[in-house]
Amino acid sequence: EADIYQTPRYLVIGTGKKITLECSQTMGHDKMYWYQQDPGMELHLIHYSYGVNSTEKGDLSSESTVSRIRTEHFPLTLESARPSHTSQYLCASSGGISGGRVDTTYFGEGSWLTVV
Amino acid sequence: AQSVSQHNHHVILSEAASLELGCNYSYGGTVNLFWYVQYPGQHLQLLLKYFSGDPLVKGIKGFEAEFIKSKFSFNLRKPSVQWSDTAEYFCGGAGGSYIPTFGRGTSLIVHP
Repeated sequence: EADIYQTPRYLVIGTGKKITLECSQTMGHDKMYWYQQDPGMELHLIHYSYGVNSTEKGDLSSESTVSRIRTEHFPLTLESARPSHTSQYLCASSGGISGGRVDTTYFGEGSWLTVV
Repeated sequence: AQSVSQHNHHVILSEAASLELGCNYSYGGTVNLFWYVQYPGQHLQLLLKYFSGDPLVKGIKGFEAEFIKSKFSFNLRKPSVQWSDTAEYFCGGAGGSYIPTFGRGTSLIVHP
């Protein structure tokens, strides 16, 4: 079992509210990722981090922001939620790269966000 | 940009039927390919992965995938599916950037 946790699992909030989705892993992984997934659609990478104080934007433009102050923690924040942000957000982490081989990526159970 | 594409978005089979889900990748150089499964209400979990060596990769639960470099493909197969294989299947890859990206996913429904 993967030791990566997301909270909240389900959230309904009003437009304009600020929300932070929490993600923590206990595996000591340097690399962490946030994906956005609409039902029946592909996983879109929105943010990733190579380690503490490292954050990068992914392929899909997102109005969210992330921080990486501690290795185990990679929260995602929406300053002002809108209905277009309604989606599932998946957090993931992976270990290192050895000889070009990427370590297994582990996923959390996801956070379903509904903005009304 | 690297990308992975899956051909079948919805597949419906009866138990004991054979399964093949298509996946193509579009980058060269270093290739890490994998298949993940997401059972209803559960998190994504790794089925199998390929980096080098034998192009036929065995995974968990009787799944296997074949890496065909000339076709840029990494199709997932299972000779006889079970009702419990009903799930969402995602093909993914990581190229030179080592950042995992995924296809759209295939919803598999297996009728008992």
